Amino acid sequence: SQKIEQNSEALNIQEGKTATLTCNYTNYSPAYLQWYRQDPGRGPVFLLLIRENEKEKRKERLKVTFDTTLKQSLFHITASQPADSATYLCALDIGDSNYQLIWGAGTKLIIKP
Amino acid sequence: KAGVTQTPRYLIKTRGQQVTLSCSPISGHRSVSWYQQTPGQGLQFLFEYFSETQRNKGNFPGRFSGRQFSNSRSEMNVSTLELGDSALYLCASSAGQGHSLDTQYFGPGTRLTVL
Repeated sequence: SQKIEQNSEALNIQEGKTATLTCNYTNYSPAYLQWYRQDPGRGPVFLLLIRENEKEKRKERLKVTFDTTLKQSLFHITASQPADSATYLCALDIGDSNYQLIWGAGTKLIIKP
Repeated sequence: KAGVTQTPRYLIKTRGQQVTLSCSPISGHRSVSWYQQTPGQGLQFLFEYFSETQRNKGNFPGRFSGRQFSNSRSEMNVSTLELGDSALYLCASSAGQGHSLDTQYFGPGTRLTVL
């Protein structure tokens, strides 16, 4: 069956280190993959979009990679700060003619001072 | 620009009742999507409306319905509530270009609890 997997366990990182979150998918051929941040009690906020023909995308301290062979995207936050603590969601299109995003359950990131 | 607003923010209902949730998109956005979010399940797509027409639909029973008005505001209705309908319901608006480059802007959600 079609599936998107994100690490369900919280990720604890020391402030200043690089945090790396994983998004794995099966049975899709997405053209795009998006990453969102969600804080408690709030809706997700768009961070980055990467296309299938892009290996890497950067925005300030954020970096996303997209490996269509491994069917995996990695999301990196460098020089992490306690304010980066949140749940991070990946979403991808299912590659058909209907515009519809399929979402991972998210990974909770905790940055410790 | 004002963001996406959803009302009410919190709702408690009992089984068998029905509920209507409201979403006002960002001004100028013509597409409104609805999602259900439960712990460990991620966001589950309910449906998307564009220019008052349902353009996409997820795999939810017919108890879940929606509509969009001419001003792009949208409502979602759930009839005959079940305990499993307890969730955070999120509304997202976008320009509605109809492809995955369309960034979605989410509201704060409505937390529905069914007792």
